[in-house]
Amino acid sequence: DAGVIQSPRHEVTEMGQEVTLRCKPISGHNSLFWYRQTMMRGLELLIYFNNNVPIDDSGMPEDRFSAKMPNASFSTLKIQPSEPRDSAVYFCASRITMSPQHFGDGTRLSIL
Amino acid sequence: RKEVEQDPGPFNVPEGATVAFNCTYSNSASQSFFWYRQDCRKEPKLLMSVYSSGNEDGRFTAQLNRASQYISLLIRDSKLSDSATYLCVVNLQGSARQLTFGSGTQLTVLP
Repeated sequence: DAGVIQSPRHEVTEMGQEVTLRCKPISGHNSLFWYRQTMMRGLELLIYFNNNVPIDDSGMPEDRFSAKMPNASFSTLKIQPSEPRDSAVYFCASRITMSPQHFGDGTRLSIL
Repeated sequence: RKEVEQDPGPFNVPEGATVAFNCTYSNSASQSFFWYRQDCRKEPKLLMSVYSSGNEDGRFTAQLNRASQYISLLIRDSKLSDSATYLCVVNLQGSARQLTFGSGTQLTVLP
């Protein structure tokens, strides 16, 4: 079975540039989560969707971050403009309600 | 107070040792509990769910103490391959925040 698929695996870009991270959840899962992980702050929930609808975006750091889920099989997390402090590993995860989450491999983002 | 708290470690133990991690949670209405494992530069992966009666999976035993609001993970006969960060995860029924992850406990098993 295909797991959660994220792209790109790695991204290095200059500050000020727009960054778009992509996620394809496991087929049949109805919830999708975006996390950010750093050494300092650990794993932080940024936003999650239930049945393609954003439910809680209180973890989104600021207006530079936005996330969309146009359909059940695709989501994006966009940072515009990017800053060096956005450098982190960004994970996407999906699940069926009340079951454990399954994580993608993550996107390692470096903003120079 | 954090919603989920773990001792960050690191725990350095010799191969074959038994090691235990504890995790406390603040919300008594929490409904389901999990342990995840995260290897260096990898994604978190589900290790095991934690059931009220306690459960075992090979060398791993998970227990839940609702009265004291903590869960534990016991690893017996530790292997080099057990070296990883172990994340405690709590799910509050009906919570808009869904799963809450602890910051993780780092384990290194030494030869």
